[in-house]
Amino acid sequence: DVKVTQSSRYLVKRTGEKVFLECVQDMDHENMFWYRQDPGLGLRLIYFSYDVKMKEKGDIPEGYSVSREKKERFSLILESASTNQTSMYLCASSSVPSYNSPLHFGNGTRLTVT
Amino acid sequence: QKEVEQDPGPLSVPEGAIVSLNCTYSNSAFQYFMWYRQYSRKGPELLMYTYSSGNKEDGRFTAQVDKSSKYISLFIRDSQPSDSATYLCASFTSGTYKYIFGTGTRLKVLA
Repeated sequence: DVKVTQSSRYLVKRTGEKVFLECVQDMDHENMFWYRQDPGLGLRLIYFSYDVKMKEKGDIPEGYSVSREKKERFSLILESASTNQTSMYLCASSSVPSYNSPLHFGNGTRLTVT
Repeated sequence: QKEVEQDPGPLSVPEGAIVSLNCTYSNSAFQYFMWYRQYSRKGPELLMYTYSSGNKEDGRFTAQVDKSSKYISLFIRDSQPSDSATYLCASFTSGTYKYIFGTGTRLKVLA
């Protein structure tokens, strides 16, 4: 079974802090993704990476950056946290787009920015 | 218009009922369709994954895709209180990294 592990389930940070969200997958997947999930808005893609050191902006990249130094690890960075970044953050991974490459999600990090 | 539309619910049914969850999509290029189950405060868990049109069955769950009407369905037979969750449908096109999700339907199965 694919396992996607997010390092924190709950985080509380102050406005202006730099925040790191970590994600590790154990299935040697090429692709990794960061989404945020908000009530009524569904899942929105922040960034994704299709290879080590490669990244692409998603639909809402403003205020975020990412890092992928190793294939199994994908980090989301909030450069200067703001209250409108309070949300559930979900990491996901998939193999190279093909018949058998659905997304597999971690359990999420619920971030509160005060 | 959103590329994948889903009624948010909530949908309440008695235990043992057959549940029908539905999505519509607008992009004819979508080839792959997924259903996820998400319990409160957890990440989405992949339930069903289908390619193109037709049915796929797994235990009490059946996924159905009708490409002619751009309609995706998930049927749950003999529903249980443990099926109470939010169900998300999603689609994507081969060769892209763009997975498009519905906003989810909240299901409550009453004991």
